[in-house]
Amino acid sequence: GESVGLHLPTLSVQEGDNSIINCAYSNSASDYFIWYKQESGKGPQFIIDIRSNMDKRQGQRVTVLLNKTVKHLSLQIAATQPGDSAVYFCAEINFGNEKLTFGTGTRLTIIP
Amino acid sequence: DSGVTQTPKHLITATGQRVTLRCSPRSGDLSVYWYQQSLDQGLQFLIQYYNGEERAKGNILERFSAQQFPDLHSELNLSSLELGDSALYFCASHRGQGSSPLHFGNGTRLTVT
Repeated sequence: GESVGLHLPTLSVQEGDNSIINCAYSNSASDYFIWYKQESGKGPQFIIDIRSNMDKRQGQRVTVLLNKTVKHLSLQIAATQPGDSAVYFCAEINFGNEKLTFGTGTRLTIIP
Repeated sequence: DSGVTQTPKHLITATGQRVTLRCSPRSGDLSVYWYQQSLDQGLQFLIQYYNGEERAKGNILERFSAQQFPDLHSELNLSSLELGDSALYFCASHRGQGSSPLHFGNGTRLTVT
């Protein structure tokens, strides 16, 4: 079946540096993409989303980039803080079947 | 706070038993999704309900069942529990249309001994 995958399972970044988390997806029909942050013992928390008709969307310290040509999604976190340490999941939705598919997650560790 | 409430937070039970997990969606959300997350794993989609009706099924075992009630809260029933069913079970809700994210509760941690 269709799947969303991540390039790297773990990522360590120095506090204050920028981080980039990547995600590859295989369903070219996906309409909508979401990044979630999951801290230990908590549910996934919505960070930012992007529709398939967009290439870039910015939030507070976060930017999502979508490259439909190569089916690639990335999450950029600027000026990382200790509180950014978590597992980050990308997810895609195909509105045709309303199916939300998650990637396996990347564990981001911020080094003080 | 996502607005999605799950109870109980923790559940410890023995193999062969049956448990019920409960979820109250965000106010106004019509869709409820259930996910299973094993240790250090991704989120596996189990089942989705929309306004009381089953909308989609994922990798849900026959021993598991769910329903959504008229007040839109949902229950996930797990029976004949096995050790491998130990996991975090998350509920998420969605308004049911449009480009908007799912909002997750903080999950129920099920431990089967």
